[in-house]
Amino acid sequence: KQEVTQIPAALSVPEGENLVLNCSFTDSAIYNLQWFRQDPGKGLTSLLLIQSSQREQTSGRLNASLDKSSGRSTLYIAASQPGDSATYLCAVRPSNDYKLSFGAGTTVTVRA
Amino acid sequence: EPEVTQTPSHQVTQMGQEVILRCVPISNHLYFYWYRQILGQKVEFLVSFYNNEISEKSEIFDDQFSVERPDGSNFTLKIRSTKLEDSAMYFCASSTRFVGSTSPLHFGNGTRLTVT
Repeated sequence: KQEVTQIPAALSVPEGENLVLNCSFTDSAIYNLQWFRQDPGKGLTSLLLIQSSQREQTSGRLNASLDKSSGRSTLYIAASQPGDSATYLCAVRPSNDYKLSFGAGTTVTVRA
Repeated sequence: EPEVTQTPSHQVTQMGQEVILRCVPISNHLYFYWYRQILGQKVEFLVSFYNNEISEKSEIFDDQFSVERPDGSNFTLKIRSTKLEDSAMYFCASSTRFVGSTSPLHFGNGTRLTVT
């Protein structure tokens, strides 16, 4: 059974600092990995999706890398802003079924 | 930008009552899903739906749960006899293709279900 872990559980940084969020998964047989943002009491907003054949994806200040063989993905957020404060979730789709397995998330606070 | 919409945003019900959670997926999407998140826990998969039938369901999705696409736009989750442990945020999601293609999953804002 796929287990997804996100470390740290919470992170507080001053505005302007770069953020590094980690996601690890136990079964490297994945189809893709998706990063989401969740604001309090809200739904999940898809940020980036990386296919298993890809090493990274970029969107604006966001960059996600994937090392499938070691079971890790990292989300980098450059030059953080207070508006980046949220919980960031990673989710893995295994190769052999359709359902996503989620991590517990990293809650980010960017201090002005 | 098109989005998945869910109603109501918050539902309070008594134990044993039936509830129906409603979702309007993005219009050109073909695959529909329900996930839930119990407070303080991970988001977990409930069911996926395609071509008017369930394509996969988790062990959580027992006989108390059912899904339906009653018309061309709505997708519903019914819980027949709610229990206290059904209290959670329920998310509807949709995608143009099955999860695992290049199509990301789009989530709604959720319905917070409170069973008293």
